[in-house]
Amino acid sequence: QLQLQESGPGLVNPSETLSLTCTVSDGSFTTSFYYWAWIRQSPGKGLEWIGSVYYSGSTSYNPSLSSRVTISIDTSKNQFSLKLSSVTAADTALYYCARRATGARKDFDYWGQGTLVTVSS
Amino acid sequence: QTVVTQEPSFSVSPGGTVTLTCGLTSGSVSPSYYPTWYQQTPGQPPRTLIYNTNTRSSGVPDRFSGSILGNKAALTITGAQADDECDYFCVLYMGSDISIFGGGTKVTVL
Repeated sequence: QLQLQESGPGLVNPSETLSLTCTVSDGSFTTSFYYWAWIRQSPGKGLEWIGSVYYSGSTSYNPSLSSRVTISIDTSKNQFSLKLSSVTAADTALYYCARRATGARKDFDYWGQGTLVTVSS
Repeated sequence: QTVVTQEPSFSVSPGGTVTLTCGLTSGSVSPSYYPTWYQQTPGQPPRTLIYNTNTRSSGVPDRFSGSILGNKAALTITGAQADDECDYFCVLYMGSDISIFGGGTKVTVL
């Protein structure tokens, strides 16, 4: 059973950079069949796709966040990472990592449990 | 800016039927957007109910069905049960690996 686990600081100062890592438990990480995504959910609100990375390192980002987002992948560690710069209180959210298949099925079929990040001084 | 629209809330009686919709502020939803429906219970990540418009994910009861109704994607719950009370999100795939979530619908069963 695939497992994804988010990790990183739970508290970030305003204007600084939020950094999170997702560790993937199985070998599907290095295949061409999946994208690896970051998704966030603000308290009591909806979900927002942040961006995705492919095993090759190619990325795609939500246009509303693209100027502040960097997603990278480390296949040797079965990890991918999120950096979000110049954070404000509006970036306080539960951050999920997830997997999406590359074929006709476009859903995020596996998710981590999420990690809460609060932006506050 | 493309916005995916959902009803904020819906109530349904136990055993009743409810249809949630997923639209676009401009344009029509078609199968080319690969509409996906997620169910989220408190404290849990979303889980896929329906993908590719109308395909149930493994283990999803057949009381959940997906379709295109008019210019929107739709999720119908037939024979609603108490544990169907939670949040439902739709997602549309916009191409170039970009996905847009709707704001979600809170379903109450009472």
